[in-house]
Amino acid sequence: DSGVTQTPKHLITATGQRVTLRCSPRSGDLSVYWYQQSLDQGLQFLIQYYNGEERAKGNILERFSAQQFPDLHSELNLSSLELGDSALYFCASSVDVGGNYEQYFGPGTRLTVT
Amino acid sequence: GDSVTQMEGPVTLSEEAFLTINCTYTATGYPSLFWYVQYPGEGLQLLLKATKADDKGSNKGFEATYRKETTSFHLEKGSVQVSDSAVYFCALSDSSGGGADGLTFGKGTHLIIQP
Repeated sequence: DSGVTQTPKHLITATGQRVTLRCSPRSGDLSVYWYQQSLDQGLQFLIQYYNGEERAKGNILERFSAQQFPDLHSELNLSSLELGDSALYFCASSVDVGGNYEQYFGPGTRLTVT
Repeated sequence: GDSVTQMEGPVTLSEEAFLTINCTYTATGYPSLFWYVQYPGEGLQLLLKATKADDKGSNKGFEATYRKETTSFHLEKGSVQVSDSAVYFCALSDSSGGGADGLTFGKGTHLIIQP
């Protein structure tokens, strides 16, 4: 158990819909990351937050957005969903910013768009 | 941009065999390097890391050495067990080069250990 929690575990929705994925980082970790894992693209970094502020963007689509709240939990919002958005979405956290800090991953949310 | 290349497999070995999974990278700065493991139906677990050239990361019998001259970070284990069957990901973080802290992953190597 990494200490990172994600809800829900599974989500099934239809094209065009909007969903919200939730992540609680490890106690004491200030930085949160979102990743997408799909068969086509592999594991891709989407976005990073640090202490409530957006720090860096990766390959995140404009239809996707995220935020980190004062209690440090984070939400990833996916809108106008397409079949190709079906994937595993992972949240990770680290104690601070900087690439040498270990990132701890949650169990993931499996999104299926039908 | 940054990239990581690793053999995709599947790699099938017998129990107690020697394991090598190759990983090479390209990066603009001085990246930190990681190996993560993903067991079926689970998230990624950090296996080991190295943050500068010639560092050796090790954990649970696995080792990898950061080789700047060959831009490599090969994963090795002397004697594998059935319980090592999983998907292994090589990754880098290149925030020292002005990039994000987000990890760049290889495509993963599926390892199957037969009794």
